[in-house]
Amino acid sequence: DTAVSQTPKYLVTQMGNDKSIKCEQNLGHDTMYWYKQDSKKFLKIMFSYNNKELIINETVPNRFSPKSPDKAHLNLHINSLELGDSAVYFCASSQTGWRKTEAFFGQGTRLTVV
Amino acid sequence: AQTVTQSQPEMSVQEAETVTLSCTYDTSESDYYLFWYKQPPSRQMILVIRQEAYKQQNATENRFSVNFQKAAKSFSLKISDSQLGDAAMYFCAYRSDTDKLIFGTGTRLQVFP
Repeated sequence: DTAVSQTPKYLVTQMGNDKSIKCEQNLGHDTMYWYKQDSKKFLKIMFSYNNKELIINETVPNRFSPKSPDKAHLNLHINSLELGDSAVYFCASSQTGWRKTEAFFGQGTRLTVV
Repeated sequence: AQTVTQSQPEMSVQEAETVTLSCTYDTSESDYYLFWYKQPPSRQMILVIRQEAYKQQNATENRFSVNFQKAAKSFSLKISDSQLGDAAMYFCAYRSDTDKLIFGTGTRLQVFP
């Protein structure tokens, strides 16, 4: 059973399009994250949600909008895609509070904007 | 703000030998967690080892161990008896009290037969 799963694994799209990446975790964790990994492999947090509430919102263009319908899902919607959005996007989850765990990652979505 | 620094962009090791990857961090917090993650070419992020800052004892997981020096804010990873499958990017990560996970820039490890 996959703990954190994201779809799709690969996404190729044209500039100006709108796309979504879905993420689901079956670990019962209360917090989910989106990270962006650029071409130099640098990983940077974009957002985090705790029990469907936005906790961390780093300096990300407002073309990126996360949506958490429940605590097991955190989707990422991107409007008006630009070339610079090409990267690998990772979803992750963890348990916070006194039962802290490490972050578990999905397999990543490689987004290519052409 | 917390920062994580990995000063070795690339390292190489012979199979069966030992290699140490460096990591330093900066924080004013007293309670936090540190991790090493491995990212092979498959790009999956795999947890290698974790260390709670309040624990003085260094964490070990089979061939992987850390040297955690809290006062020096240093958290190095030692890989013993290196195997070809250890070749990957290794990321040091800091988890703050607010549960934000901050990564270093990574070290690419090559393992030669």
